[in-house]
Amino acid sequence: EDQVTQSPEALRLQEGESSSLNCSYTVSGLRGLFWYRQDPGKGPEFLFTLYSAGEEKEKERLKATLTKKESFLHITAPKPEDSATYLCAVQATGNTPLVFGKGTRLSVIA
Amino acid sequence: DAGVIQSPRHEVTEMGQEVTLRCKPISGHNSLFWYRQTMMRGLELLIYFNNNVPIDDSGMPEDRFSAKMPNASFSTLKIQPSEPRDSAVYFCASNLNTGELFFGEGSRLTVL
Repeated sequence: EDQVTQSPEALRLQEGESSSLNCSYTVSGLRGLFWYRQDPGKGPEFLFTLYSAGEEKEKERLKATLTKKESFLHITAPKPEDSATYLCAVQATGNTPLVFGKGTRLSVIA
Repeated sequence: DAGVIQSPRHEVTEMGQEVTLRCKPISGHNSLFWYRQTMMRGLELLIYFNNNVPIDDSGMPEDRFSAKMPNASFSTLKIQPSEPRDSAVYFCASNLNTGELFFGEGSRLTVL
């Protein structure tokens, strides 16, 4: 069974304090690993897809990396507007549905 | 494009009542997914359709839950009868044969 575990459950940072969120996964065969951002009362919003170990993608203050067992979402010099829940999901080979982790709730304090 | 549209955004009902949630996927997308989100269990897949055909409904918790997709632009998720443990946010999402899902804003259901 495909599984995704995210840590920590919650993270509180001062503005400008860089950190990383972790996503550990087990999947029969990885087609893609996805990161989403979810604001309160909203649906998840797509950020990145990573397909193979060693791949990295960046968007503003966010950088996602992938190994064979886990992915990290690095947040550099975060701002209060980066506060959200960040969700990780995996898709097994074949066009199978995404399996999501429970997310990390990030709070960035000014 | 307007994105995935869900209705109602909020529903409060009493135990035993029928609840119908609606979804309009993004035009041109051929796969539609219903997820349920709770604090305890996170996002769980309930059912998904490909080209309007249900592919996997193993996530539907009980026979009280049913879903239909009569055409490419409309889907419903029905709960009958509803129970307090069904309280959650229900999301509809769509895509076009890729992993990237586009989510609606969700329907927050409270069953008293």
